[in-house]
Amino acid sequence: DARVTQTPRHKVTEMGQEVTMRCQPILGHNTVFWYRQTMMQGLELLAYFRNRAPLDDSGMPKDRFSAEMPDATLATLKIQPSEPRDSAVYFCASKMTGLDKNIQYFGAGTRLSVL
Amino acid sequence: AQSVTQPDIHITVSEGASLELRCNYSYGATPYLFWYVQSPGQGLQLLLKYFSGDTLVQGIKGFEAEFKRSQSSFNLRKPSVHWSDAAEYFCAVEGGSYIPTFGRGTSLIVHP
Repeated sequence: DARVTQTPRHKVTEMGQEVTMRCQPILGHNTVFWYRQTMMQGLELLAYFRNRAPLDDSGMPKDRFSAEMPDATLATLKIQPSEPRDSAVYFCASKMTGLDKNIQYFGAGTRLSVL
Repeated sequence: AQSVTQPDIHITVSEGASLELRCNYSYGATPYLFWYVQSPGQGLQLLLKYFSGDTLVQGIKGFEAEFKRSQSSFNLRKPSVHWSDAAEYFCAVEGGSYIPTFGRGTSLIVHP
C-alpha cells in the first residue's frame, strides 16, 4: 500500500534550534507539496516541487525556511532558526499531476513544538 | 484565481441522521473538486473527487457529493452518519495549475 512517509512524527525543540523535516513521496509521483496546519490559519501551502524543481515557495518565510528535494525519494523542509510561532503540524503530500491520476496523497504529518 | 468557502466551521448531528456539508468555489471554468477527511492526528484522506462527467459522485465510507455548476457548489452528503465519521472535512478546488486550494474545513461532531 503506497503512502507518503514523514519523519519525525513529533518534534519538540527550543527556540533558535534548527529543525529538519523529511518526506518520502509515493514512488512515481512527480509533484510534492509542503503544508502547514494551525488552528488560526488552517492549511497553508508553503512550497511545492514538480519533477524535483521548486515551482513556488511564496508561502514560506524565506528568511528562516528552506525546502529542497535532493532526489526523487526525499523532500526536506528546514527551519533555521526556529521560533515558537513555527509550532504547527507540517504535512507533505505528493501526486502524479495529470488528468486521471491527479489526486493528492498526504503523509501523517510532523507535529512541531518550539518552546 | 481559485478559491473555496466552507461556510460552516462546526456541524453537529446525531448518529443515524443525514448530513450535508457545504462547499462553494470560485473558478472561471469547470474545476477539479475534492473532499478530504482528516481524523485526529492523521493526514488528509481523499473521500471523493469530481473531474468531469456525472455530477453526482460516489466516494468511500458511503459519502457522495453533487457538483452544481449554476450554484458553484460541491456539497458533501451522507444519508446516515456513524459515530466514526466525526472528523474534520476539507473541500478543495483545483484549476489548470493543478495546485489545489483548500477550504478552512468543517468540524463534524456526532452525538450518540
